[in-house]
Amino acid sequence: AQSVSQHNHHVILSEAASLELGCNYSYGGTVNLFWYVQYPGQHLQLLLKYFSGDPLVKGIKGFEAEFIKSKFSFNLRKPSVQWSDTAEYFCAVKPNTGFQKLVFGTGTRLLVSP
Amino acid sequence: DVKVTQSSRYLVKRTGEKVFLECVQDMDHENMFWYRQDPGLGLRLIYFSYDVKMKEKGDIPEGYSVSREKKERFSLILESASTNQTSMYLCASSPGTGALLNGYTFGSGTRLTVV
Repeated sequence: AQSVSQHNHHVILSEAASLELGCNYSYGGTVNLFWYVQYPGQHLQLLLKYFSGDPLVKGIKGFEAEFIKSKFSFNLRKPSVQWSDTAEYFCAVKPNTGFQKLVFGTGTRLLVSP
Repeated sequence: DVKVTQSSRYLVKRTGEKVFLECVQDMDHENMFWYRQDPGLGLRLIYFSYDVKMKEKGDIPEGYSVSREKKERFSLILESASTNQTSMYLCASSPGTGALLNGYTFGSGTRLTVV
């Protein structure tokens, strides 16, 4: 079965620090990749997605992610975090065949201190 | 800008009660999903539906059932609530065709406490 690993469960950063959240998946075929964010008390929102083409994708709010096929990874990055980035971040994977079912990682809670 | 609406934000139910969680989407999506979200476990798929009256088990269907009588509405049913079903329940929807270009659209969630 496909699985998604997010090794960082909790991350604490100061404002202006750089962020990188890891995401690895186990699936040998072509995949679609997503990062979602859940701000406190809010619903999950799509940050960015990768389907094909340039492996470096840019999303909303200054976030970007890089797809490295050989490493089965899709890490999320932001050069300088803000207090408002405090949230939980979820990586999700969908194999490019079959039904549109996303498999989510366990999430990473990010706390940015002012 | 309403997309996916879950009828209750918070619910408290007693052990053994039958519980209905309702979800409505206004985007004419074919696919609808129910997840539960627990700390450290992420989102786990309970059931999904790809058409009216069609349903498929997800990864953790035990203790749950679903109903989809109309395209816009997908209900999650806890037949006999237990304390281990205390959780945040998330509903989501997506179009039936295409490459899931915008992922899922999620509701705000229902936090269910079973006492």
